[in-house]
Amino acid sequence: AQSVTQLDSQVPVFEEAPVELRCNYSSSVSVYLFWYVQYPNQGLQLLLKYLSGSTLVKGINGFEAEFNKSQTSFHLRKPSVHISDTAEYFCAIGTSYDKVIFGPGTSLSVIP
Amino acid sequence: EADIYQTPRYLVIGTGKKITLECSQTMGHDKMYWYQQDPGMELHLIHYSYGVNSTEKGDLSSESTVSRIRTEHFPLTLESARPSHTSQYLCASKGDFTGELFFGEGSRLTVL
Repeated sequence: AQSVTQLDSQVPVFEEAPVELRCNYSSSVSVYLFWYVQYPNQGLQLLLKYLSGSTLVKGINGFEAEFNKSQTSFHLRKPSVHISDTAEYFCAIGTSYDKVIFGPGTSLSVIP
Repeated sequence: EADIYQTPRYLVIGTGKKITLECSQTMGHDKMYWYQQDPGMELHLIHYSYGVNSTEKGDLSSESTVSRIRTEHFPLTLESARPSHTSQYLCASKGDFTGELFFGEGSRLTVL
């Protein structure tokens, strides 16, 4: 069975400060990794994805994530956050392009 | 830009009513999904479909039903709504080659 853990349920950070949102996963087979963002009262939008190749993945809105196979992690980072980054962030894994399993989410609050 | 639409966005109804949440996509994707999400909570897969006339139950048991008569349309029905059905319902479809899920904006259901 596969699972996704997001260790921080809430992350407050001051505007223009860096942020890291942590994601760890468990799977007995190779996985594909995703980060999604959900703004209030909206659906989810893909931030970035890792399918293969370079372990450092760049996404939209200045976010990037690094796949670490030995630590089974896929942490999301941004060097300088904006107020508009306040949202819920979900890490997810897929194993066969069929089901996608989501983590519980991390609520990022950017403080002016 | 993703082309997946959900209606209604918001619905408030009384106990015992029958409701149908509509989901349509114009991307020609075979795979479609329904997730249930309570406020501030993770997403739970309740139904999925691999194509026309294919429907399967997801990981979270749900009293709702789905149908897939056309590729672009994946409606969810509750025959008799109860307050425990109050939640947000997110519809998604998946691209065959990228594994990425495309989400609608969600339908927020409140049963009084």
